[in-house]
Amino acid sequence: GENVEQHPSTLSVQEGDSAVIKCTYSDSASNYFPWYKQELGKRPQLIIDIRSNVGEKKDQRIAVTLNKTAKHFSLHITETQPEDSAVYFCAATPNQAGTALIFGKGTTLSVSS
Amino acid sequence: SAVISQKPSRDICQRGTSLTIQCQVDSQVTMMFWYRQQPGQSLTLIATANQGSEATYESGFVIDKFPISRPNLTFSTLTVSNMSPEDSSIYLCSVGPADYGYTFGSGTRLTVV
Repeated sequence: GENVEQHPSTLSVQEGDSAVIKCTYSDSASNYFPWYKQELGKRPQLIIDIRSNVGEKKDQRIAVTLNKTAKHFSLHITETQPEDSAVYFCAATPNQAGTALIFGKGTTLSVSS
Repeated sequence: SAVISQKPSRDICQRGTSLTIQCQVDSQVTMMFWYRQQPGQSLTLIATANQGSEATYESGFVIDKFPISRPNLTFSTLTVSNMSPEDSSIYLCSVGPADYGYTFGSGTRLTVV
């Protein structure tokens, strides 16, 4: 089955800096790669996703890149703000009926002002 | 996107007892997924629930401990049986895939004493 590795486990940046979180996956059949943000005591919230037919997707300060050959994808947050502080999870799945998301171990991002 | 109502939101239970968690979705979905999130950890898939058939459990999870019901396309329950303190976690249901990706219930925070 799918295995997702995520690095780093913790990341501390200054406000305004960029943050990059990287994930690798094992199952070449995976074709859907979402990123979730989880604030303390809340459910994971989808912030951006990418499908295997594109290499990059951007939404304002957040971007995700995908390298299917190398089986890795990354989350890029620019101009970080204190409210970006949270735990971020990457996930992967073949995105077919009946397949669940498999999550990385998470990255705790701290943005200090 | 689908809206999931999950309850209870939290509970404190005595060891040896059982707790049933319910998830109600506002639209018909083929698959529902149950996850466990231990304190400070990532989301681990417990099982996949398909309406009208037995749930499919991941390695390390068994039906006797985590029985699941899926009586129709909008509802599912997860029971945590014969609880011990090690079962203290957040339990989340999820639905997907769909055009909007996967969504999560608000979670059930279980404390076993």
